Amino acid sequence: RKEVEQDPGPFNVPEGATVAFNCTYSNSASQSFFWYRQDCRKEPKLLMSVYSSGNEDGRFTAQLNRASQYISLLIRDSKLSDSATYLCVVNPRDDKIIFGKGTRLHILP
Amino acid sequence: DGGITQSPKYLFRKEGQNVTLSCEQNLNHDAMYWYRQDPGQGLRLIYYSQIVNDFQKGDIAEGYSVSREKKESFPLTVTSAQKNPTAFYLCASSIARLGNIQYFGAGTRLSVL
Repeated sequence: RKEVEQDPGPFNVPEGATVAFNCTYSNSASQSFFWYRQDCRKEPKLLMSVYSSGNEDGRFTAQLNRASQYISLLIRDSKLSDSATYLCVVNPRDDKIIFGKGTRLHILP
Repeated sequence: DGGITQSPKYLFRKEGQNVTLSCEQNLNHDAMYWYRQDPGQGLRLIYYSQIVNDFQKGDIAEGYSVSREKKESFPLTVTSAQKNPTAFYLCASSIARLGNIQYFGAGTRLSVL
């Protein structure tokens, strides 16, 4: 299994729909997890941290499943402005951090 | 405004030339990082520094060098030994350690002439 793996997509989703994608990781000792959003030719921006208890911020929900070693991101009532690449980030140990290659999301009008 | 400033936004390198990318932060963060991003690829860590006057190699340090003489500054030099330097370079910072939330600058696009 790769250290961090994401479905590259693209996910083409109609506006208003709900979309979810996962990110799997290989190191069970991983400590921190994040979702970042990256627009085309821009820098990544933090979307949300992922806690063991889950995390919700408006239309966005992130969850961590340690038993199956994946994190997920759910977007409800998707907007055109949600179109971007979503990067998962995993911190498997103190001296290492791994960015996934990202999942591309296109929201269709 | 607090943030991370990278300059220049675009940079062109001639064969055999060293070039330096600037990264400055006024967030009072201890840790700073340099990443490289190639099309369709995830970010790869080049170097990081968790304290002034100390830095560590990341996964792809060969052909690059850094310094951390001031808390707010972490310049990256792309040396002539880096044979494939064309990429999007991103600087980031965080409070303390590697696993904390990282905030990114707007990036520098480096191309080879």
